Amino acid sequence: QKEVEQDPGPLSVPEGAIVSLNCTYSNSAFQYFMWYRQYSRKGPELLMYTYSSGNKEDGRFTAQVDKSSKYISLFIRDSQPSDSATYLCASTGTASKLTFGTGTRLQVTL
Amino acid sequence: KAGVTQTPRYLIKTRGQQVTLSCSPISGHRSVSWYQQTPGQGLQFLFEYFSETQRNKGNFPGRFSGRQFSNSRSEMNVSTLELGDSALYLCASSLGQGLEAFFGQGTRLTVV
Repeated sequence: QKEVEQDPGPLSVPEGAIVSLNCTYSNSAFQYFMWYRQYSRKGPELLMYTYSSGNKEDGRFTAQVDKSSKYISLFIRDSQPSDSATYLCASTGTASKLTFGTGTRLQVTL
Repeated sequence: KAGVTQTPRYLIKTRGQQVTLSCSPISGHRSVSWYQQTPGQGLQFLFEYFSETQRNKGNFPGRFSGRQFSNSRSEMNVSTLELGDSALYLCASSLGQGLEAFFGQGTRLTVV
């Protein structure tokens, strides 16, 4: 079993929809959680960074962490075609080693 | 503020050769980590350097090695290349453990 599980998709939504992306993790030592966006043939771009449980909002993006259920979520409001990319969740404990999910491919259609 | 810079962007090598990849972190960042990304395995951690010392190592064979210089720039070396080493190699820099990690654009290595 992978330490971080993520549905690979693809997920297709119409422009303007609310997108929900999710991951689960198994390592109780994880306390830092990140979401990255990766466009084709580019490096991952950090979108959201959260520590421990709770919500964090940045513009159209909201990250949620529920440590009791080991569940990580990213919500994208008013999705745009430019949001079409692969979204990667990542977690780490006290080390710098990030453990990634496999990534969810998102397609926002006009 | 300049981001993480990786060179070269693309490389084609022959089996059995060796290769060196370079990473310049964001100014002030002392932690540099390397990852391998393939379609089948996703992003996998190779190793992390902080202040010229390897602090963490992933589950890769000894053919994969790295080092960090006093200016925090890092290099990664792969010896005796195999076809399976074809991948996107990514470098990430951060201020320290558990803090935000920022990635470069990667070096795409093709082994033929």
